[in-house]
Amino acid sequence: DGGITQSPKYLFRKEGQNVTLSCEQNLNHDAMYWYRQDPGQGLRLIYYSQIVNDFQKGDIAEGYSVSREKKESFPLTVTSAQKNPTAFYLCASGLTSGSTQLNYGYTFGSGTRLTVV
Amino acid sequence: AQSVTQPDIHITVSEGASLELRCNYSYGATPYLFWYVQSPGQGLQLLLKYFSGDTLVQGIKGFEAEFKRSQSSFNLRKPSVHWSDAAEYFCARSGAGSYQLTFGKGTKLSVIP
Repeated sequence: DGGITQSPKYLFRKEGQNVTLSCEQNLNHDAMYWYRQDPGQGLRLIYYSQIVNDFQKGDIAEGYSVSREKKESFPLTVTSAQKNPTAFYLCASGLTSGSTQLNYGYTFGSGTRLTVV
Repeated sequence: AQSVTQPDIHITVSEGASLELRCNYSYGATPYLFWYVQSPGQGLQLLLKYFSGDTLVQGIKGFEAEFKRSQSSFNLRKPSVHWSDAAEYFCARSGAGSYQLTFGKGTKLSVIP
């Protein structure tokens, strides 16, 4: 079955350490997104990519970096510059073309919970 | 800019009672509207979506939503809530020709026995 996989489910980061969250999809979706979720703040967009080798900053990109070397993969690195990284991170994917209803909407992964220790 | 407002941060209902979660969107021609549900520690799952046509949309898990252009609303309803419906619900929109979604801040639903 097609889907989107995030790993690991839980991740612990020490102060000053960079960590990378994995997101892989086999839905043949062009676009991929990273969101950060904190209690009471909804979904905040970190980065998104609509095509391989291209990505754009979202609303809260500072302290994060991404790459999009393959259509299927969109890893997120939480750098030491992100001072408050403890949060739940969600990856999503979607299409960017086509006119039918099926082309709209996102598919989400099951998330990674990152905790600073 | 497009926006989505969910006025209720937290709602508590009794099991078996009816439910209505509110969603208002900013004005825009032909909005595409979505409701997602998130169980604790999980990703978001699509409940239903509206693009055009019949303004009453049926979704999974017994949910429905009604699009009202005059009120810029897309409220989610369920006639009888089950304990397993306790979750957080997100309304989202995109515009015609745009595939990127704008999300509301979510409404947390608690269900009491």
